[in-house]
Amino acid sequence: AQKVTQAQTEISVVEKEDVTLDCVYETRDTTYYLFWYKQPPSGELVFLIRRNSFDEQNEISGRYSWNFQKSTSSFNFTITASQVVDSAVYFCALAPNTGFQKLVFGTGTRLLVSP
Amino acid sequence: DVKVTQSSRYLVKRTGEKVFLECVQDMDHENMFWYRQDPGLGLRLIYFSYDVKMKEKGDIPEGYSVSREKKERFSLILESASTNQTSMYLCASSRQNSYEQYFGPGTRLTVT
Repeated sequence: AQKVTQAQTEISVVEKEDVTLDCVYETRDTTYYLFWYKQPPSGELVFLIRRNSFDEQNEISGRYSWNFQKSTSSFNFTITASQVVDSAVYFCALAPNTGFQKLVFGTGTRLLVSP
Repeated sequence: DVKVTQSSRYLVKRTGEKVFLECVQDMDHENMFWYRQDPGLGLRLIYFSYDVKMKEKGDIPEGYSVSREKKERFSLILESASTNQTSMYLCASSRQNSYEQYFGPGTRLTVT
């Protein structure tokens, strides 16, 4: 069975704080992909990153960074120096190796950044 | 820019009505998806299509059907709307061998 767990339902921080969003996944596939999407108040999910299960290198993109650890089945997302515009719901997702590019989503973490 | 549009942002229907939700993408993507989003449940896949006239059930297809007569358009049909189908419905599309899905803005459906 494929499953993605985002245990943090909601996180509130003050601007400029660093924040980490947790994602734990379950899969029996040896090959899979992991994703993060952002859903701002407008409603449209925005793709942030995709990681291949063979690539455990951490990735940094500006204020965003991702920590992929196969040993703990985690794919955590850190925002450094958070800004009000980071306020959104963030979804972690898993793509099993089914060939149909289906995504299994977590329940999301709502991040509220206050000025 | 990839554009996925949905016919309505907000929709109110009565129990028992037949409801059509339309989704159009302009990037010639092969794959299209319908999800529903509910608080505490995240996004759940209802149906997807990998080609014209082809469809596959997702995780929660009961009470729904779909139609894909043209490549750019994917319709979600509620044959007889019920109150438990009140939800946010999201459409997405992707290229044939890509896992990157592009989402529309969603339709918030209320069934009374």
